Amino acid sequence: DAKTTQPPSMDCAEGRAANLPCNHSTISGNEYVYWYRQIHSQGPQYIIHGLKNNETNEMASLIITEDRKSSTLILPHATLRDTAVYYCIVRVRGNFNKFYFGSGTKLNVKP
Amino acid sequence: DGGITQSPKYLFRKEGQNVTLSCEQNLNHDAMYWYRQDPGQGLRLIYYSQIVNDFQKGDIAEGYSVSREKKESFPLTVTSAQKNPTAFYLCASRVGETLYNSPLHFGNGTRLTVT
Repeated sequence: DAKTTQPPSMDCAEGRAANLPCNHSTISGNEYVYWYRQIHSQGPQYIIHGLKNNETNEMASLIITEDRKSSTLILPHATLRDTAVYYCIVRVRGNFNKFYFGSGTKLNVKP
Repeated sequence: DGGITQSPKYLFRKEGQNVTLSCEQNLNHDAMYWYRQDPGQGLRLIYYSQIVNDFQKGDIAEGYSVSREKKESFPLTVTSAQKNPTAFYLCASRVGETLYNSPLHFGNGTRLTVT
């Protein structure tokens, strides 16, 4: 019931942009997309969230397709410290307090 | 600094014992959550609370209990009825439904080992 689909792993060269995709084809009109990352043995760290417009903050950019069925998290200049598991989540319609986490994408940033 | 504090970071218990995990937040958030994470897996929701003195079961509530007597505190008790209690437990909070799209903020977790 994660409502999102992500590739299990991706590699990225240090200094290059990391583009992490997420499919959320069943998303409803008022459901936001949230991105988190988790470094081993720590709690997930909030990165960014959006509804339908592209969003940018000091950590990343979020690009949401016009039909809202997919999104991409962009880390513009990946560093070794960006190696982590990245989760794309949406809240389940009708259960607005419940955030469901899937298995995420393990991003490996390589020197 | 505002944040969520989970203690202890590591906890060891013998099988058959109940154990309570602490979660405190000073963010003035209404909503609080408990998740469980097993190796190589995502997070699964145990319990959540929208407001003081109210809480709801998540997807894997069996063998767990919670209380929400104060806004800043949401302790989780892992009872002897929980068949596989060894896991990484994460507490989270968010503003609540007064800000519909408010994100979750997590503590750094408690790793419970039961032998």
